[in-house]
Amino acid sequence: EAGVAQSPRYKIIEKRQSVAFWCNPISGHATLYWYQQILGQGPKLLIQFQNNGVVDDSQLPKDRFSAERLKGVDSTLKIQPAKLEDSAVYLCASSLERAREHGYTFGSGTRLTVV
Amino acid sequence: DAKTTQPPSMDCAEGRAANLPCNHSTISGNEYVYWYRQIHSQGPQYIIHGLKNNETNEMASLIITEDRKSSTLILPHATLRDTAVYYCIVRVAGSALNFGKGTSLLVTP
Repeated sequence: EAGVAQSPRYKIIEKRQSVAFWCNPISGHATLYWYQQILGQGPKLLIQFQNNGVVDDSQLPKDRFSAERLKGVDSTLKIQPAKLEDSAVYLCASSLERAREHGYTFGSGTRLTVV
Repeated sequence: DAKTTQPPSMDCAEGRAANLPCNHSTISGNEYVYWYRQIHSQGPQYIIHGLKNNETNEMASLIITEDRKSSTLILPHATLRDTAVYYCIVRVAGSALNFGKGTSLLVTP
């Protein structure tokens, strides 16, 4: 099966600019996650979707970050305006709802550099 | 807060077994133990998971102690391609994975 697709692979922006990342999960996967991974740290959950509804966004900095999952398939994560500390890899993952004890599959991520 | 404790780094000679320990002394009865690994510049990759019993798949074996307070991931014949950061995570089915800092495993020739 095709994996989790993310784009772009790399992005460099200046601080205070806006940026958007796109994720296409594995077909049929109802649950979608966005993670932020700062260099040298483990991934940190930003938001979890179940179909097109938000399950957990408690760690999403809502003053500058937003995410949506229209029609319960693709998802976009936006940062506006970006800060230097937002430099990180943004990972998308998806999983089957009916196999809840199973793990989930990650994409390769988008590496964001804010200068 | 991560619920697991792992050594920050380990070395292993190529062809030997790599045994990666994980302490999860506060694990609840409905929490599974998961192992993921992350090779440089890639997203985390699922390895194996278990609840109570030991588990084995084509990648690794997972040994969980009887009291479930610790576990060991075993890569039976480590190769250079197994060099990665290995994450041990406890999780209730259906909840999000919360990653700690993991163990950086270096496999040497």
